Amino acid sequence: GEDVEQSLFLSVREGDSSVINCTYTDSSSTYLYWYKQEPGAGLQLLTYIFSNMDMKQDQRLTVLLNKKDKHLSLRIADTQTGDSAIYFCAEILNTGRRALTFGSGTRLQVQP
Amino acid sequence: EAQVTQNPRYLITVTGKKLTVTCSQNMNHEYMSWYRQDPGLGLRQIYYSMNVEVTDKGDVPEGYKVSRKEKRNFPLILESPSPNQTSLYFCASSLRLANSYEQYFGPGTRLTVT
Repeated sequence: GEDVEQSLFLSVREGDSSVINCTYTDSSSTYLYWYKQEPGAGLQLLTYIFSNMDMKQDQRLTVLLNKKDKHLSLRIADTQTGDSAIYFCAEILNTGRRALTFGSGTRLQVQP
Repeated sequence: EAQVTQNPRYLITVTGKKLTVTCSQNMNHEYMSWYRQDPGLGLRQIYYSMNVEVTDKGDVPEGYKVSRKEKRNFPLILESPSPNQTSLYFCASSLRLANSYEQYFGPGTRLTVT
């Protein structure tokens, strides 16, 4: 079945690292994504990882994928107040129609 | 600037009054899609289009229509809106290449049907 789960809320202090976790249930996922949504704004593609990769790093962002446990994480180093937003994990199951299945989002609050 | 645009950004309408939400992208993407976002349900795909004149249903197509007459535009049509279509709508686009699955989203359209 298709189900992507995330914790609802994470609070960190500015300068600390943030780790946002996501679990998915369908092992046939091909691509897994992280999107950022700021208040009143659209969805910004942050990064994605192909299912045959374990890790991807892009500046302050590190994505880890554990296929055995169906677990995806996003680590944000040196978290800034501008990182406060809702972060969505998403997967593509049906590569034909490319429907993204999203988690319900994790609200990251960065305290100064 | 490469982007996906939607209009209007906010719309309040009444039950039964036909409306169209436009979506346009300037990246020459073949693939376009519409999603709706509802609290606790995440985003769900409404319709998608693999190219001009090629459209198909997503997970929640009931009550919606789309058309793809030009590559850059993919309007979402609600012929007879109902209150349960009150939602936040996102348009997305991507290249159709087999190894290109980056989907770019528009800013969203918040629709309220009374």
